[in-house]
Amino acid sequence: QKEVEQDPGPLSVPEGAIVSLNCTYSNSAFQYFMWYRQYSRKGPELLMYTYSSGNKEDGRFTAQVDKSSKYISLFIRDSQPSDSATYLCAMSPSSGGSYIPTFGRGTSLIVHP
Amino acid sequence: EADIYQTPRYLVIGTGKKITLECSQTMGHDKMYWYQQDPGMELHLIHYSYGVNSTEKGDLSSESTVSRIRTEHFPLTLESARPSHTSQYLCASAVTGMNTEAFFGQGTRLTVV
Repeated sequence: QKEVEQDPGPLSVPEGAIVSLNCTYSNSAFQYFMWYRQYSRKGPELLMYTYSSGNKEDGRFTAQVDKSSKYISLFIRDSQPSDSATYLCAMSPSSGGSYIPTFGRGTSLIVHP
Repeated sequence: EADIYQTPRYLVIGTGKKITLECSQTMGHDKMYWYQQDPGMELHLIHYSYGVNSTEKGDLSSESTVSRIRTEHFPLTLESARPSHTSQYLCASAVTGMNTEAFFGQGTRLTVV
């Protein structure tokens, strides 16, 4: 079983839709949860991070962590064509000395006008 | 924008050749990582470093080697390239802290023919 599972998609939605992206994980030691966005032929860039359980909101983006279910989500409101990218979830047991992010395979999102 | 640079961006090389992929960061980060990414697949950690003269192998078996003689520089070397090494290689760096973020380079797309 992979440590982090993520549906690769592609997920195609119309502009303005609410997008839900999800990951499940098996390692209960993960405490630090991140979402990265990767445009074609670019390196990933950090979108949001959450430490332990709970919600975090930043503009149109909301990250949720449910540690009891080992399930994390990223919601994108009012999606735009510029949001079209691959979204990777990542997790680490720590945000400090032993920080080694483990990544999912990414979900390809296409927002069409 | 992250100050982490990878060269070359693209490389086509023949089987059996020795190659070095360069990665440099100007942020003074103590941690550096090499990931391998194939289309639609997870980022696989192949090497990481927690500081100068510290290097460790990641979870993906790799025939590559790395060195960390200077904080800012983390080159990856393949002694004898094979077609199975064809992939995208991503370098990242991070600084130890409460909300650690890994910054990625643009990647090197390697093709071994």
